[in-house]
Amino acid sequence: KAGVTQTPRYLIKTRGQQVTLSCSPISGHRSVSWYQQTPGQGLQFLFEYFSETQRNKGNFPGRFSGRQFSNSRSEMNVSTLELGDSALYLCASREGVNTEAFFGQGTRLTVV
Amino acid sequence: KNEVEQSPQNLTAQEGEFITINCSYSVGISALHWLQQHPGGGIVSLFMLSSGKKKHGRLIATINIQEKHSSLHITASHPRDSAVYICAVGQGGSNYKLTFGKGTLLTVNP
Repeated sequence: KAGVTQTPRYLIKTRGQQVTLSCSPISGHRSVSWYQQTPGQGLQFLFEYFSETQRNKGNFPGRFSGRQFSNSRSEMNVSTLELGDSALYLCASREGVNTEAFFGQGTRLTVV
Repeated sequence: KNEVEQSPQNLTAQEGEFITINCSYSVGISALHWLQQHPGGGIVSLFMLSSGKKKHGRLIATINIQEKHSSLHITASHPRDSAVYICAVGQGGSNYKLTFGKGTLLTVNP
């Protein structure tokens, strides 16, 4: 089975722009969750989707949004980028409730 | 106070040494995860456990639910074990959420 695939791997954007990141989960996994990793805050939960429904959301402003498609692929969007949004964005997929999480390689976003 | 505390923050060992990384948490959990992150960012899930002990090769993870504490042990450490080890607690059922510790940077010298 292919692992969790995130695209793109690297991205440079300008303040004020918006960005869309993509995550393809392991085949058969219906849960996709997103995380932000920064040197200062470490790893923080953004949101989780299961069967196209957002089930949980972390403490992030409304500029951060996401969605999940019927094939379980997920996208997250950040609008009006700020310098502080520079981070490694990771997604993880799970088969179901209380199952192991498998992480992608991440997308490194730099906002200049 | 963070919900998940790891110690130590940094650990340097000589090849062959036995290593222990500790994780304490202050919330009710469904499961605890140990993750490994190498430079470059990718995260690998090492263990997911909700009770007792699990072993995979030279890695052993234990959890004490009553004391809200978990340990990750590496026997016969090797330079390739050098990485950041992250403890994360999972909460909720259908709305599962991971809360992470700050990580332990392990360096194993040859």
